[in-house]
Amino acid sequence: AQSVAQPEDQVNVAEGNPLTVKCTYSVSGNPYLFWYVQYPNRGLQFLLKYITGDNLVKGSYGFEAEFNKSQTSFHLKKPSALVSDSALYFCAVDADKLIFGTGTRLQVFP
Amino acid sequence: DAGITQSPRHKVTETGTPVTLRCHQTENHRYMYWYRQDPGHGLRLIHYSYGVKDTDKGEVSDGYSVSRSKTEDFLLTLESATSSQTSVYFCAISETGGGQKLFFGSGTQLSVL
Repeated sequence: AQSVAQPEDQVNVAEGNPLTVKCTYSVSGNPYLFWYVQYPNRGLQFLLKYITGDNLVKGSYGFEAEFNKSQTSFHLKKPSALVSDSALYFCAVDADKLIFGTGTRLQVFP
Repeated sequence: DAGITQSPRHKVTETGTPVTLRCHQTENHRYMYWYRQDPGHGLRLIHYSYGVKDTDKGEVSDGYSVSRSKTEDFLLTLESATSSQTSVYFCAISETGGGQKLFFGSGTQLSVL
């Protein structure tokens, strides 16, 4: 069965420090992998997508994600966090259907 | 939010009453989706549509029905609302299915008392 896991409910990081939000998945075949961000009282917004090719995918707002096939992971990263990055982040995987993780709340402290 | 309007934005209703949520898009996208968002569950697909009058069930479709009579409108109906359907409901659209990014509306907060 297809599944996606975000092992951390919340990630706290100081402004200016690098951040990582983790995502692992379990699918058969080669999936599409996504990250979305949700700000308060808003719908989800697309950040980036991996299809194939380079394992490092660059997306919106300075975010990037690293695909690791052997570890079946697709972690979201940013070299220098901003307070405005504080939001809820969702990983999603699409093999034959799109499934979302449960979300990770990122809190960036000044 | 990418030409997607959900109405109403907030709704409080009583158990056993019918409720209809509306999603309207101005992007002329073929695919439309209804999701519900609950703590600890992320987003779960209720129903989706791949064209006018073409719909299919998602993973949590029990108690819900949908209709799409025009490209731009996708309606979600709770035939007889229950407290377990208290949730935030999101409409989303995509140009095509399979691997395409979704654009989301701002959501409808539904409370069933």
